[in-house]
Amino acid sequence: EAQVTQNPRYLITVTGKKLTVTCSQNMNHEYMSWYRQDPGLGLRQIYYSMNVEVTDKGDVPEGYKVSRKEKRNFPLILESPSPNQTSLYFCASSSGTSGIDTQYFGPGTRLTVL
Amino acid sequence: QKEVEQDPGPLSVPEGAIVSLNCTYSNSAFQYFMWYRQYSRKGPELLMYTYSSGNKEDGRFTAQVDKSSKYISLFIRDSQPSDSATYLCASRDTGFQKLVFGTGTRLLVSP
Repeated sequence: EAQVTQNPRYLITVTGKKLTVTCSQNMNHEYMSWYRQDPGLGLRQIYYSMNVEVTDKGDVPEGYKVSRKEKRNFPLILESPSPNQTSLYFCASSSGTSGIDTQYFGPGTRLTVL
Repeated sequence: QKEVEQDPGPLSVPEGAIVSLNCTYSNSAFQYFMWYRQYSRKGPELLMYTYSSGNKEDGRFTAQVDKSSKYISLFIRDSQPSDSATYLCASRDTGFQKLVFGTGTRLLVSP
């Protein structure tokens, strides 16, 4: 089954404790992206990757890091989480070709930073 | 000004009603327009897309884009309680993968 998986689905942590949210896709997609979703602000892009070893900032990259060492994986790293990073996070992937190109979203990771 | 604006709702309708969901956008370069549906505690899933102006129909759903007024619409006919979800409009430019989302409209269809 074609899918994007994220782990963990729920995470409660404390300020400053480094964490990683994993994202994996099994569709051989080139393009992967991380979003955060907040009430009243909608989905905002954090980082994206056009291919292995190619990453770039989205609209709200501060406080986040990513890496793309393999095509299927795109982990999101919070080196020193703060309460304003409490949010619902989604990973998405697409084939990356031009034209109509469906982005598939993962199930989401709900992060609470105390 | 946000590039894509959307009324957050909630929009409450009785079962069987025709629903109209709308967005406006400001970037003239946007060529692709999508509607995503997001159920509670789930990720968004693509519902419909259109390229440039025009209409597209899929069952009970019709997507409409008017580029002259920068207006995006989604119509749902014979709405069902299972249509209760948040609907997100999204747009992007040709050649770019980045989607710009509206904030989403929460729809509640009561039996």
